[in-house]
Amino acid sequence: SQKIEQNSEALNIQEGKTATLTCNYTNYSPAYLQWYRQDPGRGPVFLLLIRENEKEKRKERLKVTFDTTLKQSLFHITASQPADSATYLCALDEPQAGTALIFGKGTTLSVSS
Amino acid sequence: NAGVMQNPRHLVRRRGQEARLRCSPVKGHSHVYWYRQLPEEGLKFMVYLQKENIIDESGMPKERFSAEFPKEGPSILRIQQVVRGDSAAYFCASSPWTSGGNIQYFGAGTRLSVL
Repeated sequence: SQKIEQNSEALNIQEGKTATLTCNYTNYSPAYLQWYRQDPGRGPVFLLLIRENEKEKRKERLKVTFDTTLKQSLFHITASQPADSATYLCALDEPQAGTALIFGKGTTLSVSS
Repeated sequence: NAGVMQNPRHLVRRRGQEARLRCSPVKGHSHVYWYRQLPEEGLKFMVYLQKENIIDESGMPKERFSAEFPKEGPSILRIQQVVRGDSAAYFCASSPWTSGGNIQYFGAGTRLSVL
């Protein structure tokens, strides 16, 4: 079965630096890969979706890459701010294989000022 | 525009009681998903429903758990005879299900505590 791993449980960086979060999966490459943000006590909020034929996607200070050869997605936050502190979840989205998203456990990012 | 509404936000039950969790999807969304999240763990899929139909319940325990999404009204996740291990955050998500990816919109969750 498909497994998904987010390599770091926690990541601590200083304000202004670039945060890079990693998401790896084991089997087939999904048609889409999504990233969500979750704050304590709240539900996940969708951030970005990248298709398997896209190498890179950007939205403001966020950038996502998708390497189907490495079976890996990288999520970057540039010029990080304390308000970016949250847990970030990656999710595999494969409509052909099933209906549900498969989520990683998440990486908790802490940005200190 | 109202997002996904879940209630109650917090629910306390004693062992053996029933828990009913409600979810109203984003207006116009006909696809509803339920997930469970335990501390230090990721979101685990439970069940996927469309109006009046269960599409995929492969993540739902075979006993004590049931879900519905009636033609009118919210989706309900029902847990009968709760046990301490059912204590978790339960999230509902809805989706418009376009061909461009299954982006899901989550509610704030219901935190179930079983005493």
